[in-house]
Amino acid sequence: EPEVTQTPSHQVTQMGQEVILRCVPISNHLYFYWYRQILGQKVEFLVSFYNNEISEKSEIFDDQFSVERPDGSNFTLKIRSTKLEDSAMYFCASIRHRDFSYEQYFGPGTRLTVT
Amino acid sequence: AQTVTQSQPEMSVQEAETVTLSCTYDTSESDYYLFWYKQPPSRQMILVIRQEAYKQQNATENRFSVNFQKAAKSFSLKISDSQLGDAAMYFCARAGTASKLTFGTGTRLQVTL
Repeated sequence: EPEVTQTPSHQVTQMGQEVILRCVPISNHLYFYWYRQILGQKVEFLVSFYNNEISEKSEIFDDQFSVERPDGSNFTLKIRSTKLEDSAMYFCASIRHRDFSYEQYFGPGTRLTVT
Repeated sequence: AQTVTQSQPEMSVQEAETVTLSCTYDTSESDYYLFWYKQPPSRQMILVIRQEAYKQQNATENRFSVNFQKAAKSFSLKISDSQLGDAAMYFCARAGTASKLTFGTGTRLQVTL
């Protein structure tokens, strides 16, 4: 069964450093998402991406964040200068169609720890 | 704001018994979808069940079923014959025409022997 993959599973970085979180969505999916979950809290939407551009972003997704689909398979989330409060689990998700009869598939997540 | 509310931070059920997790939501859209996700300690998000708002019939997946009350904007999850493996965080979520998911704060379900 096809699945969304994410690397790395755990990333530790120092405050102020840049990190890139990588995701490989399911190959025939067209819509891509990043979500964040701070430990013990709910999952929050960050950004959605379609047709090589951002279709929607939340207020969390400020200038420190960017997304890219550089090669038609990978979907990356970059945080330019990490803060302590960026420590969280980051989930990538994808769907084939905007019609939600199709399930939004989640990757296993990347745990980001900022020290 | 399109919010999702889960008023039960924690629930407990005995093995083989039935438990119901509550969820209410707010939306101005007429076309939307509702979901229950399970998050075990591994933190993987696993889809349990989904409901299309235009369908009156409540969704069912094996031991999991929902009670969807559209007018009341209520979407509860019933787990029958609870098993130890059902212990997890359960998140209710809504997706509208924008397709992003809006999650509730979660209910931690404990299953006891």
